[in-house]
Amino acid sequence: GIQVEQSPPDLILQEGANSTLRCNFSDSVNNLQWFHQNPWGQLINLFYIPSGTKQNGRLSATTVATERYSLLYISSSQTTDSGVYFCAVSTGNQFYFGTGTSLTVIP
Amino acid sequence: EAGVAQSPRYKIIEKRQSVAFWCNPISGHATLYWYQQILGQGPKLLIQFQNNGVVDDSQLPKDRFSAERLKGVDSTLKIQPAKLEDSAVYLCAVGPLEWSHIQYFGAGTRLSVL
Repeated sequence: GIQVEQSPPDLILQEGANSTLRCNFSDSVNNLQWFHQNPWGQLINLFYIPSGTKQNGRLSATTVATERYSLLYISSSQTTDSGVYFCAVSTGNQFYFGTGTSLTVIP
Repeated sequence: EAGVAQSPRYKIIEKRQSVAFWCNPISGHATLYWYQQILGQGPKLLIQFQNNGVVDDSQLPKDRFSAERLKGVDSTLKIQPAKLEDSAVYLCAVGPLEWSHIQYFGAGTRLSVL
């Protein structure tokens, strides 16, 4: 299967700070998604981004498919951004998840 | 957006007991997944259904785990007998669709095996 590595594993930010999360994957993919898992365990899709750049409010993501990585940017972080961020990739229907980046935003 | 209901939310059992989880997608998605998420790790695929048929169950421990999908909608996952290492959150997801491309997850069932 595809190997998915995320960095950093842990991140602590002061409220209002910006951050960049990275996802590296070992093979070409046709589907890449970023998820946020809140403290109650619910996984919420943030972006579907197999290539290119997308923005949604304070969040944006960029995937460089030829170099097999994706970046998630969080600007002006808020305490509600805390949780674990996962990158998931697929070549067909099966998805492979990374080990996540645990983000803590302190007031 | 698809709603995915899972039940129960929590379950505590002793090792060697049996347990079952239910997944009830609101919308009709052809593809349904069961994932196991151990504390501190990302979700790992156990089984994938396309309508009623199994597409991939290569990581399902078939000596103790079983799953079925009824009429291409609801699904159950069973563990019999449970082991300590089965303690995890079991997540059900549906999608992606051709026009949506994204997966929708249920809230999960947290299983503790004592």
